[in-house]
Amino acid sequence: DAMVIQNPRYQVTQFGKPVTLSCSQTLNHNVMYWYQQKSSQAPKLLFHYYDKDFNNEADTPDNFQSRRPNTSFCFLDIRSPGLGDAAMYLCATSRSRGLNTEAFFGQGTRLTVV
Amino acid sequence: AQRVTQPEKLLSVFKGAPVELKCNYSYSGSPELFWYVQYSRQRLQLLLRHISRESIKGFTADLNKGETSFHLKKPFAQEEDSAMYYCALSSEAMYSSASKIIFGSGTRLSIRP
Repeated sequence: DAMVIQNPRYQVTQFGKPVTLSCSQTLNHNVMYWYQQKSSQAPKLLFHYYDKDFNNEADTPDNFQSRRPNTSFCFLDIRSPGLGDAAMYLCATSRSRGLNTEAFFGQGTRLTVV
Repeated sequence: AQRVTQPEKLLSVFKGAPVELKCNYSYSGSPELFWYVQYSRQRLQLLLRHISRESIKGFTADLNKGETSFHLKKPFAQEEDSAMYYCALSSEAMYSSASKIIFGSGTRLSIRP
């Protein structure tokens, strides 16, 4: 009954080799988020979509891109992963506008860069 | 700047003892605050939200605008409360109709038998 699914759970990639992480949802939520979480740190918002509208955080590196081909799927592309990009990547969804909306998270993808 | 601060990385208490997880925030405007919890090997999930003024699993949190705090409390800790707890703030995103959620760095709560 998983509602937000991230694949794969664990991803190992080579330094500089492009990698894509995927997220799908069965909730039909308008908003999808990508967070990066490093050890003992807060989840850091990278960007979010409201439907097809893409919103980048000001401090998200250009190395990170995202695609949302439809309501259900969202992808995180890292064009040239560096060692500093090793982290847990969390996908989340929420209903459309409203400050009190709950975010639903996937299990996360742990990215290792070798 | 919008910020959520959780000063304690780890809090360890005995079963049956009271628990208080601290959270302070910085936000210009009326904040919407939440506590999220992550149990071992499970996904991050909502525990409670301030606007609901609810008690979930015995936990409550009161928004104190004067002190800009939203501490999470439980009078009697149980072993199953052991988890990672994140305080979060929801804010209007610029140039977007969505809200964005900003998290604190989390506090690991460990309940000793």
